[in-house]
Amino acid sequence: AQTVTQSQPEMSVQEAETVTLSCTYDTSESDYYLFWYKQPPSRQMILVIRQEAYKQQNATENRFSVNFQKAAKSFSLKISDSQLGDAAMYFCAYRSAEGGSEKLVFGKGTKLTVNP
Amino acid sequence: ETGVTQTPRHLVMGMTNKKSLKCEQHLGHNAMYWYKQSAKKPLELMFVYSLEERVENNSVPSRFSPECPNSSHLFLHLHTLQPEDSALYLCASSQEGLAGGPTDTQYFGPGTRLTVL
Repeated sequence: AQTVTQSQPEMSVQEAETVTLSCTYDTSESDYYLFWYKQPPSRQMILVIRQEAYKQQNATENRFSVNFQKAAKSFSLKISDSQLGDAAMYFCAYRSAEGGSEKLVFGKGTKLTVNP
Repeated sequence: ETGVTQTPRHLVMGMTNKKSLKCEQHLGHNAMYWYKQSAKKPLELMFVYSLEERVENNSVPSRFSPECPNSSHLFLHLHTLQPEDSALYLCASSQEGLAGGPTDTQYFGPGTRLTVL
C-alpha cells in the first residue's frame, strides 16, 4: 500500500520570504499523480499544485513550485514571496494512475504560519 | 468556493440520533467521495461513488451509510454514532476518465463539523 509522509508538523516563515514543505512517499508503481492541497482556517480544501509522475519538469503555479525527485520519492513544495493568506494546513497526496483507482492517500499535513 | 457544497456545516448529535449529511457538486463530475478528517491523523477515505455506483468502502462501520441518488448528490446517513466519530467530514468530487484513461483532480467541499455527545 502507498504511504505519504510529511515530516514537518509545523513550519513558520516571515512574510515575503521563501519556505519549503517536505513530502516523501512510498510506492511500487511507476505512474501516479502527486498533489499539494491547502486547507485554510475556513476548512475548504483547495488544490495548490499537481504533478504527473511521468513528467520530468517540475510543476509551477505562480508563487508555488515543486521539487519532484522521482528516484528519491520526494515531492517538496516551495512557496516564494510568502503572504499572510498562505497560512494554512498543507497536505501532500498521492494517487495511482492505474485505471479505476480513485483513491487519494494523504499525509498528516504541515501547519504553515506566516509571520508579518 | 461553490463547486462543492455541504450541509449542514456544523452538527451536534447524541449517540441515539439519526442524521444525514448532504453534499452537492455543481461541476458536472461523475465521481464523489466521503472523507473523515480527525485531529492529527491523515484524511481517511470512507466511500467512493463512480457513476453513482459504490466502488470503494474503506472498512467503514455500518453506522455510516452512504447514498448516491444521482451524480450530483451524495449523502451520508448517520445512526447510533460514537463520540470517537466526532470529526470533520469532507465531500469531494472529480471527473473520472474511462478505464486506463486520465484521471482528474478531486475538488473538496467545506466540510461538516460533527460532534457526537
